[in-house]
Amino acid sequence: DTAVSQTPKYLVTQMGNDKSIKCEQNLGHDTMYWYKQDSKKFLKIMFSYNNKELIINETVPNRFSPKSPDKAHLNLHINSLELGDSAVYFCASSQDSQTQYFGPGTRLLVL
Amino acid sequence: QKEVEQNSGPLSVPEGAIASLNCTYSDRGSQSFFWYRQYSGKSPELIMFIYSNGDKEDGRFTAQLNKASQYVSLLIRDSQPSDSATYLCAVRGGGSEKLVFGKGTKLTVNP
Repeated sequence: DTAVSQTPKYLVTQMGNDKSIKCEQNLGHDTMYWYKQDSKKFLKIMFSYNNKELIINETVPNRFSPKSPDKAHLNLHINSLELGDSAVYFCASSQDSQTQYFGPGTRLLVL
Repeated sequence: QKEVEQNSGPLSVPEGAIASLNCTYSDRGSQSFFWYRQYSGKSPELIMFIYSNGDKEDGRFTAQLNKASQYVSLLIRDSQPSDSATYLCAVRGGGSEKLVFGKGTKLTVNP
């Protein structure tokens, strides 16, 4: 069974569209994260939820809105997509601030 | 701004040699230090973590931490071509869920 899964794996869309990425973890962890990895491979935290509560909210445009329906799921909705949003988005989870386990990533390309 | 610095490389070593990867961090309150390996097109996977000053060994990998110098390193003994990847250093501050990543060092092990 996949520990942290994301859908879709690839997402190609036009500028201005709205899209969502979904993440699920079956590890029983309390904390989930969204990271963005840009073309230079720099991995940066965007958001973190602990038991459905937002605990980290980095300087991210308002167009990005995370939602956690339960502690096993963390989704990311992006409005009015821009060219600069093209990146790989990784979901991760952890328990008690220990090791973070990453999902396979969603490769977003905005045209 | 808390920063984690790594030499971006590329670092090239012959098969069987020792690869040495270095990382410095700016936040003196940092408590936990992680090394992740990321193969091209894949997600980061944890290799080692270290909390205390000194060395921590796991198989061919040794993590070294010097909090006074704000320096953490990863040694890979008997390097194999399969070790060729980008190595990400990550640091977590005390009482924080947030991991700050370096930009990674690309390692190539030549057969």
